[in-house]
Amino acid sequence: DADVTQTPRNRITKTGKRIMLECSQTKGHDRMYWYRQDPGLGLRLIYYSFDVKDINKGEISDGYSVSRQAQAKFSLSLESAIPNQTALYFCATFSGFGYTFGSGTRLTVV
Amino acid sequence: DQQVKQNSPSLSVQEGRISILNCDYTNSMFDYFLWYKKYPAEGPTFLISISSIKDKNEDGRFTVFLNKSAKHLSLHIVPSQPGDSAVYFCAASERGAQKLVFGQGTRLTINP
Repeated sequence: DADVTQTPRNRITKTGKRIMLECSQTKGHDRMYWYRQDPGLGLRLIYYSFDVKDINKGEISDGYSVSRQAQAKFSLSLESAIPNQTALYFCATFSGFGYTFGSGTRLTVV
Repeated sequence: DQQVKQNSPSLSVQEGRISILNCDYTNSMFDYFLWYKKYPAEGPTFLISISSIKDKNEDGRFTVFLNKSAKHLSLHIVPSQPGDSAVYFCAASERGAQKLVFGQGTRLTINP
């Protein structure tokens, strides 16, 4: 089993729909992150969480929300999806030894 | 405002030769730098890192060089192998910030 699991792997949704991307980890790390990858822009930080009660906005949080349901689970929601949120989304965890990324969720908003 | 920049979107190198990937940064508070490698349909995986107290770190075929005065780092891969074909991301963090800032990525292609 992967240390960081993202579901779904691929999703196509319509403009205006609410969608949730889920992330779970088996590493026992407190710190979790959501990034999005766009061509030519690299990975940009959306939200991050240092523990269940600590949620922080990243550089591009507008249009997104998150929920840290437990140490192992960190979900990203798009309340009303728009086409420019089409991207590859990565969840990651952090320990003193570095970051571990999930395999990504490819989201397409049509 | 891109704090970490990889100005070469792509690089093509012959197998066996040296690959040099470059990265520039603007934030003088960055004190830890990392390189990640990403294959299609997979998440980025850690490759090598360097602290600002060093100017070189080596791990097998991979060496990272840091020039703090120029705010520049580079990743050298020698010899390059076909399996090195991937997208490489440079990333940086500030002391205590515990979050990474990534560059745009460079797609490296190793030709036989």
